[in-house]
Amino acid sequence: GAGVSQSPSNKVTEKGKDVELRCDPISGHTALYWYRQSLGQGLEFLIYFQGNSAPDKSGLPSDRFSAERTGGSVSTLTIQRTQQEDSAVYLCASSSRIYSGANVLTFGAGSRLTVL
Amino acid sequence: AQKVTQAQTEISVVEKEDVTLDCVYETRDTTYYLFWYKQPPSGELVFLIRRNSFDEQNEISGRYSWNFQKSTSSFNFTITASQVVDSAVYFCALSELTGANSKLTFGKGITLSVRP
Repeated sequence: GAGVSQSPSNKVTEKGKDVELRCDPISGHTALYWYRQSLGQGLEFLIYFQGNSAPDKSGLPSDRFSAERTGGSVSTLTIQRTQQEDSAVYLCASSSRIYSGANVLTFGAGSRLTVL
Repeated sequence: AQKVTQAQTEISVVEKEDVTLDCVYETRDTTYYLFWYKQPPSGELVFLIRRNSFDEQNEISGRYSWNFQKSTSSFNFTITASQVVDSAVYFCALSELTGANSKLTFGKGITLSVRP
């Protein structure tokens, strides 16, 4: 697609429920990133995919968080047993592999999660 | 560990004023990349500029200019003759060089409000 697409744009859920957030990267972009943006915490890295593999999961805050990527394209971020502190905007970004460490990330508009 | 500090949290200016956004970073790497991203109210982060650690040449692009000083670990961004459309959150970020992983460490952002 022309840009990075994320869905849903807004999600309200009850504490304890599971949620899935979807990211459609730019076609041909092999690298995909998930970030979390919350008040007072800024933008926090969650996970990095190269193709379908996730060589860097160091930012996932707990084992309630998981992510997968299929076909080298769409990625799903799953949060199990949601807690109120999970409320945030979850941003997805993708990039092509041109320069090592210097790739420009293209971000989606984010999925705003509210846990009641 | 890498760290990006944006000491200013909110700046408010009147249209046509010049404004400088400060960024200070910490890294042990000798090779790294610095970025500025803009996040307008729509939510998508928009790439503005990338600089590598070997290139201290400062640049002017239209109303934007950047001042990279390795000696003080600063990468400041100036908007000349600000406009209302410049109102956004501005993030400074630092890239680790670990293979193809372009994971970014972000500062907490500066909210710029330009009043007519």
